[in-house]
Amino acid sequence: QKEVEQDPGPLSVPEGAIVSLNCTYSNSAFQYFMWYRQYSRKGPELLMYTYSSGNKEDGRFTAQVDKSSKYISLFIRDSQPSDSATYLCAMNKAAGNKLTFGGGTRVLVKP
Amino acid sequence: DGGITQSPKYLFRKEGQNVTLSCEQNLNHDAMYWYRQDPGQGLRLIYYSQIVNDFQKGDIAEGYSVSREKKESFPLTVTSAQKNPTAFYLCASSTLGGRGNEQFFGPGTRLTVL
Repeated sequence: QKEVEQDPGPLSVPEGAIVSLNCTYSNSAFQYFMWYRQYSRKGPELLMYTYSSGNKEDGRFTAQVDKSSKYISLFIRDSQPSDSATYLCAMNKAAGNKLTFGGGTRVLVKP
Repeated sequence: DGGITQSPKYLFRKEGQNVTLSCEQNLNHDAMYWYRQDPGQGLRLIYYSQIVNDFQKGDIAEGYSVSREKKESFPLTVTSAQKNPTAFYLCASSTLGGRGNEQFFGPGTRLTVL
């Protein structure tokens, strides 16, 4: 069983809809949680960074962490075709340590 | 502009050859990382380094080697011992303190074995 599980999708939504993405994990030592966006054949770009449990909002993006359930989410409001990409969750135990990634969810926002 | 550069963008290798992938950063980051990405498997850590002249194996280090002679450079060699090297290789860097969990990635090198 993988340490971090993520539905591969693809997740197809109409423009303007809310995109809901999530990851589950098994290691309770993870404290730092990140979401990356990766366009095809490009390097991942950091979108959101959260520490421990709670919510964080940045523009159209909201990240949620529920450590008691070992579950993290990313919501994208008012989705745009430019949001079409693969979204990777990542987490680690401390600074300078390796990141453990989910397999990524491919998202397609249709005009 | 500050950032991470990787070269080449595409690389073709014949079986039995060693090849070296370049990674350079001008972000003054202490830590650097190499990941391998295969379709549907996310990113897997090959090697990482937190300080010059020191590095640690990641989850899939077999068939790979690295060096860290300068803070800004972390080249990866894919040796002939790597049985299935065709993949997308990503280099990343981060600080060690504060928000050192935020890793910044380069554009990647796509390696194909012919």
